[in-house]
Formats: sequence, C-alpha cells, structure tokens
Amino acid sequence: RKEVEQDPGPFNVPEGATVAFNCTYSNSASQSFFWYRQDCRKEPKLLMSVYSSGNEDGRFTAQLNRASQYISLLIRDSKLSDSATYLCVVNWGGKLIFGQGTELSVKP
Amino acid sequence: DAMVIQNPRYQVTQFGKPVTLSCSQTLNHNVMYWYQQKSSQAPKLLFHYYDKDFNNEADTPDNFQSRRPNTSFCFLDIRSPGLGDAAMYLCATSFFPQGVQPQHFGDGTRLSIL
Repeated sequence: RKEVEQDPGPFNVPEGATVAFNCTYSNSASQSFFWYRQDCRKEPKLLMSVYSSGNEDGRFTAQLNRASQYISLLIRDSKLSDSATYLCVVNWGGKLIFGQGTELSVKP
Repeated sequence: DAMVIQNPRYQVTQFGKPVTLSCSQTLNHNVMYWYQQKSSQAPKLLFHYYDKDFNNEADTPDNFQSRRPNTSFCFLDIRSPGLGDAAMYLCATSFFPQGVQPQHFGDGTRLSIL
C-alpha cells in the first residue's frame, strides 16, 4: 500500500465547476498535512496547510479526518488558471511524503 | 524575491560524467532537502541536512552525494550519472525537520543525460 494515495486523474471540468480531490495516508503518526500545486515542469508550490478543524482559503477548502486518515480538497468556481497537478503531502518525522498527484484540467 | 535558488535550471551531461547541482537559500532555514522527481511521479526524497548533520534515505543510491559547506548552500553531486538519473531535481528548505511548517522549494534543475 502506498503511504499517500490520491484519486487517479486526470479530472477534466468546465470553468465554474466544483471539483473535489481525495487523499488517504497510511501512517497514523503523521503530523501535518498539506496540499501543494505543481504546474507542468515547475516546482511544487504550497497551496494550503490542512488543519483538523478544516480550513478555507477563498475558493479552496481543505478537510482532514484523522480517524479515517483522509484528506480532501474542494475547489469551487474553477478557473482556467486552476489547471495543474495537485499533490497531497503528509509530514511524518520531518519527511514530506507526496502522493502521486491528481491532474486537473479546467476547460472554457 | 527568490528565496530558494537552484542552478542551473537545465543541465545536460554525458553518461558517466560527474555533475553537480547547486542550491542556495536566503531564508536562513536549518534544513535543506534534495528530491528527485521523474516524469508523472511524485517527488522522492534523496537526503537532507539538518544543520551539518547529513541524513540519507535508505534507498538513495551511492551514486548520489551531497555537501553543505554553510547554512546557505547545498550541493547535489551525481558521481556517474546513468540514463535513469534523468529527472527534475528539487531543493527545498524548512526551519526544523520535525516541524509542522511546509517546505519551500526552488525552481528545480532539469537534468538530461546524453
């Protein structure tokens, strides 16, 4: 079993759609959680940290369920500029463990 | 302003010819990491420095070495690159390895092997 697993992609959605990404992690001792965004041939960039109480940043909402070892990212009102690969990332013992990423393509 | 700077952005080397990739940071972070990312795969941690302490991942090949002469700089040396080492190499930094803070990535160096 992979340490961090994400929905297989790609997700192809129209502008304005709401899209949800799911992620599960295997190590219950994981300490912190993030969503990173990676554009084609670029470095990963932090999108948002994920807190147990859930958190929102504009059109983006992240949720964490420690009991189920499950993380989600919801994007509302998708923009063309949201097209990228979204990486679910878990910090365990100081190491970032990356999921394989889910590609999102937002079409006009 | 760039805070984690990698040089060069693109590197081409010959099979078996040693190559060094460079990373510098202006964040004064304690920890510097090197990742390898192959096409359509997740970044894979090779090793990290916590201050001067080097921490190698168990599955990192001996062909990969690293040096950190001071807080600001860290180098990745590939002693004898093979075709399978063609990848994007990412440098990242953070304050503490066990912290809850995210890591800051450089732009990456894309390595090609001829």
